[in-house]
Amino acid sequence: QSVLTQPPSASGTPGQSVSISCSGGSSNLGHYAVSWYQLLPGTAPKLLIYSNDQRPSGVPDRFSGSKSGTSASLAISGLQSEDEADYYCAAWDGRLNGWVFGGGSKVTVL
Amino acid sequence: QLLESGGGLVQPGGSRRLSCSASGFTFSVFAMTWVRQAPGKGLEWVSTITESGAKISYADSVKGRFTISRDNSDNTLYLQMTSLRAEDTATYYCARERVTVSATRWFDPWGQGTLVTVSS
Repeated sequence: QSVLTQPPSASGTPGQSVSISCSGGSSNLGHYAVSWYQLLPGTAPKLLIYSNDQRPSGVPDRFSGSKSGTSASLAISGLQSEDEADYYCAAWDGRLNGWVFGGGSKVTVL
Repeated sequence: QLLESGGGLVQPGGSRRLSCSASGFTFSVFAMTWVRQAPGKGLEWVSTITESGAKISYADSVKGRFTISRDNSDNTLYLQMTSLRAEDTATYYCARERVTVSATRWFDPWGQGTLVTVSS
């Protein structure tokens, strides 16, 4: 049972938009910024979003993030086949004094 | 760039030391973290060490069994794992932790991971 709650899956056709939610509590998302990571089999996890809504250089602007209170979301617009991957949210937890992750959401491009 | 090594097959109750070799950045000014992913499961934070090694934190699941350390002169992060259990079977990733003055944190980059399998 992950501390941060994500839907197990999301899907869309090419060109569509999908959104993945991440729900936490006052000790993590309520107080600390969220980051998002993309995992593809056999490759190193990749940072997609940091500081709630900031995109590192090299990450397409199709990816966007937001946070409000104890919930965050990752949106992918103009879905492409290469976006098919697992996505995780993460945040520091002040009560646990450690990092917490969401359970991961598998995005499927239909 | 981060490159993990040291994974392999270990018997239950055994020990293993993982290494993470860093290059392309000033290793000594960044906190470093180990994160693992069991087969078919999600990411799980394991341990974090500050730049100098003065502050260390562990997940409850590994506390007392795993030890994180670093050698800033050799740009290497370590994870010494003892009393290994089947549930420790996972791909172990090292990651550089970025922290801003406002205490915003994130991981970038990550290594490709090294697989540890605990089985008899």
